[in-house]
Amino acid sequence: NAGVTQTPKFRVLKTGQSMTLLCAQDMNHEYMYWYRQDPGMGLRLIHYSVGEGTTAKGEVPDGYNVSRLKKQNFLLGLESAAPSQTSVYFCASSDPTGTGYFGPGTRLTVT
Amino acid sequence: AQKITQTQPGMFVQEKEAVTLDCTYDTSDQSYGLFWYKQPSSGEMIFLIYQGSYDEQNATEGRYSLNFQKARKSANLVISASQLGDSAMYFCAMRDPLGGGFKTIFGAGTRLFVKA
Repeated sequence: NAGVTQTPKFRVLKTGQSMTLLCAQDMNHEYMYWYRQDPGMGLRLIHYSVGEGTTAKGEVPDGYNVSRLKKQNFLLGLESAAPSQTSVYFCASSDPTGTGYFGPGTRLTVT
Repeated sequence: AQKITQTQPGMFVQEKEAVTLDCTYDTSDQSYGLFWYKQPSSGEMIFLIYQGSYDEQNATEGRYSLNFQKARKSANLVISASQLGDSAMYFCAMRDPLGGGFKTIFGAGTRLFVKA
């Protein structure tokens, strides 16, 4: 079991560039999430999914899009990166109790 | 709206002593779940303990216990016999059942320093 994996681990973008973060889980979880973590703050929910083919907005969805075409994958897209999107991004999936299993994080810098 | 509050930005504890990390929450739901996660300096998020709102007994997992006081809406984490490896950031979180999923919101965290 790999658990939750994220690619890439690090990325530097220039303002206006686009990119996609990939999250994969092998635990057959229905629920998946994307969070961002900024210095001195807890995790803030960007988007989440309650099952294949579904997505919903979290606390801070602006500037991001997501897709859940397959149950095991949850993609986070930045169409036009901005410096305010510099952050560490965590993907997670959860079991029926809501216990979250997190990926290792992606450190994104937008210059 | 659901909210998690952790009022201690930083805490110090002597090795082998117990420490309590505070967490209060706000929700109008009757059914919810509370969690604690540990984030060491390496950055990964590690699940520690879970308490369901209908669980009558406080949750325990090894040296971790959750002091759940429903009427006060508090879910404090107690770490017994602190170890140097317990130095980390600790996040309290709550499962928000609204919206048809298990959306989880997090507090701002408490940084714990364990002194030798």
